[in-house]
Amino acid sequence: TQTVSQSDAHVTVFEGDSVELRCNYSYGGSIYLSWYIQHHGHGLQFLLKYYSGNPVVQGVNGFEAEFSKSDSSFHLRKASVHWSDSAVYFCAVSGGSNYNVLYFGSGTKLTVEP
Amino acid sequence: DAGVTQTPRHEVAEKGQTIILKCEPVSGHNDLFWYRQTKIQGLELLSYFRSKSLMEDGGAFKDRFKAEMLNSSFSTLKIQPTEPKDSAVYLCASSLGGYTGQLYFGEGSKLTVL
Repeated sequence: TQTVSQSDAHVTVFEGDSVELRCNYSYGGSIYLSWYIQHHGHGLQFLLKYYSGNPVVQGVNGFEAEFSKSDSSFHLRKASVHWSDSAVYFCAVSGGSNYNVLYFGSGTKLTVEP
Repeated sequence: DAGVTQTPRHEVAEKGQTIILKCEPVSGHNDLFWYRQTKIQGLELLSYFRSKSLMEDGGAFKDRFKAEMLNSSFSTLKIQPTEPKDSAVYLCASSLGGYTGQLYFGEGSKLTVL
């Protein structure tokens, strides 16, 4: 069974700061990882994904994430945040026979202060 | 293309009632997912359809929850009978199928059971 954990429930930064949101996974086989964003009162929106190849993947709106097999991590980063990046961010993992079923972490609420 | 459409956006039910939530996936998508979102449990998979066939039914939700795909462009989630603990946001998502790592989510249906 694949699991994913997001250790930080809340992260607060100032506009223009860089930010890293952490995600760690547990799974023994081939794994697929992705990040989603959820603004208040809305559904989730895809940011980026990783399966193989270059461990650093680029996503929308300047987000990127880096896969590390040794650390079992897939942390999300952004060099300079904007107030509109305030939202809840979910890391997701999939693998196994139903490899397109995503299992989500508990989410990290990012607050960007002016 | 239209995104995933969920109706109703809000539903209030009395304990013991039957409610039906509806979902229209993105046109041409083969996979459809129902998730339940609560603050405490986070995002939980309720059901997963591949080309209208039920692939996973989210074990713990079998007894009072039933999802169906009546055709490739319409799905329902029936909760019968409702209980106050069913109060949550129910999210429908679709994807092309195969591994894309990218689910398209609807805005959700917020259910309150009194």
